[in-house]
Amino acid sequence: AQSVTQPDARVTVSEGASLQLRCKYSYFGTPYLFWYVQYPRQGLQLLLKYYPGDPVVQGVNGFEAEFSKSNSSFHLRKASVHWSDWAVYFCAVRITGNYKYVFGAGTRLKVIA
Amino acid sequence: GPKVLQIPSHQIIDMGQMVTLNCDPVSNHLYFYWYKQILGQQMEFLVNFYNGKVMEKSKLFKDQFSVERPDGSYFTLKIQPTALEDSAVYFCASSPRLGGHAEQFFGPGTRLTVL
Repeated sequence: AQSVTQPDARVTVSEGASLQLRCKYSYFGTPYLFWYVQYPRQGLQLLLKYYPGDPVVQGVNGFEAEFSKSNSSFHLRKASVHWSDWAVYFCAVRITGNYKYVFGAGTRLKVIA
Repeated sequence: GPKVLQIPSHQIIDMGQMVTLNCDPVSNHLYFYWYKQILGQQMEFLVNFYNGKVMEKSKLFKDQFSVERPDGSYFTLKIQPTALEDSAVYFCASSPRLGGHAEQFFGPGTRLTVL
């Protein structure tokens, strides 16, 4: 069955440090993958999306993600975290056919000084 | 960018009552979705809707649930009657088309508390 796992429920990083948020997916076929961010009291905002092609995808606000078929992963990275990145991050795979999204449980990112 | 609005942001009701959650999708979008997120758990697909009809629903979409979008107004999720296990945050989403490079745009969610 299709699934998305975000193994880290909470991550704390210092401002200016690098960041990696992990995402593993289980999907038969070629996945379409997404990272969304949710700020308090706001909807999900798209950070970046992967469609079959270049495995490294650039997103907004300096985020990027790398697709790995061999590892079934789509990890999110940022070279230098800013305090405004404090939010919850969701990884999702889109299901071919009905186009619903299957989400991970989310990773809550905290940024400290 | 395009925004999906949800009204209300928080709803508290007694078990057994009816509740309607309202979603104002992006204006030119044609496909609509509801997702449910219980506190601390994953967001899960409930239903998608197009051209006045439910396209697909998950096992979470119980018989007490219904959706509609009368005359291009709000896309609504109605629960009648509500149960304690319906307490969750409900997210609405819309997209202009299926597949391709179309993405879903999400609202901020409605937190439903059933007492």
